[in-house]
Amino acid sequence: GENVEQHPSTLSVQEGDSAVIKCTYSDSASNYFPWYKQELGKRPQLIIDIRSNVGEKKDQRIAVTLNKTAKHFSLHITETQPEDSAVYFCAASWGLTGGGNKLTFGTGTQLKVEL
Amino acid sequence: DAGVTQSPTHLIKTRGQQVTLRCSPKSGHDTVSWYQQALGQGPQFIFQYYEEEERQRGNFPDRFSGHQFPNYSSELNVNALLLGDSALYLCASSSDTDTQYFGPGTRLTVL
Repeated sequence: GENVEQHPSTLSVQEGDSAVIKCTYSDSASNYFPWYKQELGKRPQLIIDIRSNVGEKKDQRIAVTLNKTAKHFSLHITETQPEDSAVYFCAASWGLTGGGNKLTFGTGTQLKVEL
Repeated sequence: DAGVTQSPTHLIKTRGQQVTLRCSPKSGHDTVSWYQQALGQGPQFIFQYYEEEERQRGNFPDRFSGHQFPNYSSELNVNALLLGDSALYLCASSSDTDTQYFGPGTRLTVL
C-alpha cells in the first residue's frame, strides 16, 4: 500500500520568513495530494491540494509543488505569520470513480512561527 | 451551508464496552470516510462508505464496523474496546471530487 514520509517533524521560523515542508510517496498510482493544517484540538483543515497533471499550484502565500518522477511534493509558505503556527499534514491518494478515496497521511510537521 | 458534523464531542468508555460514533456529511456530499488519529500522529484510514456500502477498508480489525444511511450520514461502531482504541475519530465527507472535508472529531477515551 501507499506510504507517505514527511520532513521535518518540527520547524521553527521567524515571522516573515519562508517555510518548506517536504513529503515523499511510494505508490506511483497516486494522483491527488492535499495538505491539511491542524490547530491544537481542531479538525484538519484543507489548505491546498494538487493533482498529478499539475506541477505547481499557488494560493496567496501558500504554494505546492509536485515532482512525479521523484515521487515527492512540497508545501511552501511565504511571509509566515504567527497564525500559521500549527501541525501540517501531507497526504496522498489515487482516485476512485464516484467520488472520494482513501487518504494516506504523513506523520505531520509542527510549524512554529516566532515573533 | 452546514459543514461536516460529528457527535458526540467526547466519550469515555471502559475496556470491553462498545461505542457508536455519528457523522453527518457536508451538504451535497455522498461519501463518508472514517479516520483514527492517535495523539501526535497523522490520521489513519479506517474505511469509506458510498451508496450505503463499504467501498474501501484500511488495516483495522473487524471490531471496527460502520454503516451509511440513505441520507448519507454514517456511524462508526467499535466493539470490545481496548485501551489502544483511545484516539480522536474523524469523519470526512466528499462528493465527485477527491477533496475530503473533515468534521471536528470525537475524542474517545478508553479506561
